[in-house]
Amino acid sequence: GAVVSQHPSWVICKSGTSVKIECRSLDFQATTMFWYRQFPKQSLMLMATSNEGSKATYEQGVEKDKFLINHASLTLSTLTVTSAHPEDSSFYICSANHPGLNYGYTFGSGTRLTVV
Amino acid sequence: KQEVTQIPAALSVPEGENLVLNCSFTDSAIYNLQWFRQDPGKGLTSLLLIQSSQREQTSGRLNASLDKSSGRSTLYIAASQPGDSATYLCAVLKNQGGKLIFGQGTELSVKP
Repeated sequence: GAVVSQHPSWVICKSGTSVKIECRSLDFQATTMFWYRQFPKQSLMLMATSNEGSKATYEQGVEKDKFLINHASLTLSTLTVTSAHPEDSSFYICSANHPGLNYGYTFGSGTRLTVV
Repeated sequence: KQEVTQIPAALSVPEGENLVLNCSFTDSAIYNLQWFRQDPGKGLTSLLLIQSSQREQTSGRLNASLDKSSGRSTLYIAASQPGDSATYLCAVLKNQGGKLIFGQGTELSVKP
């Protein structure tokens, strides 16, 4: 149990376009989901906490207008990278925690975004 | 502010060796600690979760210990195999539903 599905696994887009990444909890309801960014050879950096039915909470230094988060249902959170630029190229990972697993975290498989 | 440190940053061992990965954290007021594995270009796979009231957890060849008072956790891997090669991350949770704080990871390479 506690599976988190993330799509797409990779995407290439042109500068100036927007890209949407989906994160779904398949077998449990997640009122809160978390979005991370990871640079090569580095650990995960928390970008924002996605709250179902309310606004996301962004970490310091993360542009909320650049990284739009929507958590419209208990099983789906989306991250949209707007007006993407090459410096937005990175590995994005979502996660959720499961009360039934002692609040252990489950992660999606990640999305490799390349902006050209 | 909670800080999590993992030592060593990288480790290379021959197949069959037993090894220990270390994780330390500065604030002992944690809810749980979780060890993850990450293969290149992939997401994180949860290996073991230790509640703050527990001392250790075991799964197969893996054993994780927790000493909350000293702010330390270790991940012991017995009889290492080339398939164990990956980056291992530890993370602490301060309270239910809160943010995970990650260490920088240990990159493990097990040579055949």
